[in-house]
Amino acid sequence: KNEVEQSPQNLTAQEGEFITINCSYSVGISALHWLQQHPGGGIVSLFMLSSGKKKHGRLIATINIQEKHSSLHITASHPRDSAVYICAVDPLVGGGADGLTFGKGTHLIIQP
Amino acid sequence: EAQVTQNPRYLITVTGKKLTVTCSQNMNHEYMSWYRQDPGLGLRQIYYSMNVEVTDKGDVPEGYKVSRKEKRNFPLILESPSPNQTSLYFCASKPQGAVQPQHFGDGTRLSIL
Repeated sequence: KNEVEQSPQNLTAQEGEFITINCSYSVGISALHWLQQHPGGGIVSLFMLSSGKKKHGRLIATINIQEKHSSLHITASHPRDSAVYICAVDPLVGGGADGLTFGKGTHLIIQP
Repeated sequence: EAQVTQNPRYLITVTGKKLTVTCSQNMNHEYMSWYRQDPGLGLRQIYYSMNVEVTDKGDVPEGYKVSRKEKRNFPLILESPSPNQTSLYFCASKPQGAVQPQHFGDGTRLSIL
């Protein structure tokens, strides 16, 4: 069974700090997703990756397929970045026919 | 605006009283899915549907039913809710077959007393 592990589970940082959230998975995948969930809010897709690196504003996502590892970076963090960040993968086999396997999430708090 | 709409957003009810959470999407997506989110467990798939009249179980289907009579709607039915179904529920959709991001609804927080 595919496992998706995220670290850290919780992270508190000061405004302006560089943030890194890590995600490791155990089986072959067709894509990896980074999702954001604000308190009381819905879930928004930030990135979908199958190789390399993607950047959107202050957010950068990287993936190393050989090492089965991805990182989400936030540069110049801001209190509005406070949210739960969830890593999810599309397994190559298994899963709920296109269903994602999710990590448990990283709860990020950015203090002013 | 492309969206997935869930109703209700919040519901407190009692054990055994049948309830339905509706989910509707306006993007003509074939694939729809229901997830529940619990502290320490993350998101887990309940049921999914690959198209009209095609549904299948996810990882935690016990106590739930779904139907897909129209492409846009995918209601989640709790015939006899129990306290262990207290959770935050999300509906999501995406085009079938392609590896694409799923579009999530805003969530429904259910409390079963």
